[in-house]
Amino acid sequence: DAGVIQSPRHEVTEMGQEVTLRCKPISGHDYLFWYRQTMMRGLELLIYFNNNVPIDDSGMPEDRFSAKMPNASFSTLKIQPSEPRDSAVYFCASSPRTSGGQETQYFGPGTRLLVL
Amino acid sequence: RKEVEQDPGPFNVPEGATVAFNCTYSNSASQSFFWYRQDCRKEPKLLMSVYSSGNEDGRFTAQLNRASQYISLLIRDSKLSDSATYLCVVNRASGGSNYKLTFGKGTLLTVNP
Repeated sequence: DAGVIQSPRHEVTEMGQEVTLRCKPISGHDYLFWYRQTMMRGLELLIYFNNNVPIDDSGMPEDRFSAKMPNASFSTLKIQPSEPRDSAVYFCASSPRTSGGQETQYFGPGTRLLVL
Repeated sequence: RKEVEQDPGPFNVPEGATVAFNCTYSNSASQSFFWYRQDCRKEPKLLMSVYSSGNEDGRFTAQLNRASQYISLLIRDSKLSDSATYLCVVNRASGGSNYKLTFGKGTLLTVNP
């Protein structure tokens, strides 16, 4: 298996522009997670999906952020408009169906976003 | 109080040393616990789960104290390849659809030759 695939790997954009991050989870995994990692705040969960349905988006920082999962093999995280404080590494992770939360989350390589 | 707190580090140790990382969590409802490892500019990867009775995987030993809300990771005979950031992770899963991992900010370990 190719693992979790994210694109782009690097993104540099100007403040105010729309940014779309993409993720392909591991085939057969029921859960998909979006995280953001910064030096100041560490790794934070933004939103997660179960069977393509958003379950918890309480970590999404504000209305400028939105995430979708139109099918089991694709998800997007969109920032519109982007701001310099959105600069971070964004990770997508997937996990098989959980029974008590012991299953491993498999992370993609991340997208390094820089907003100028 | 932060939900998951770790030693800030960094830890610099010689090869062969034993090093211990500590972590505390604030939510007593937390139900499962993990250590993840993150290499520089890479994604986090599961190192090991942490069970109530304590568990060992080769040179790595993890322990959990629910009463004190404390988790530890011990690395014996450290290798150069152990150099990484170690993330303490707590899950408040209550079965089925509630599945949220909370990560500590990590402790950087550098093993020197």
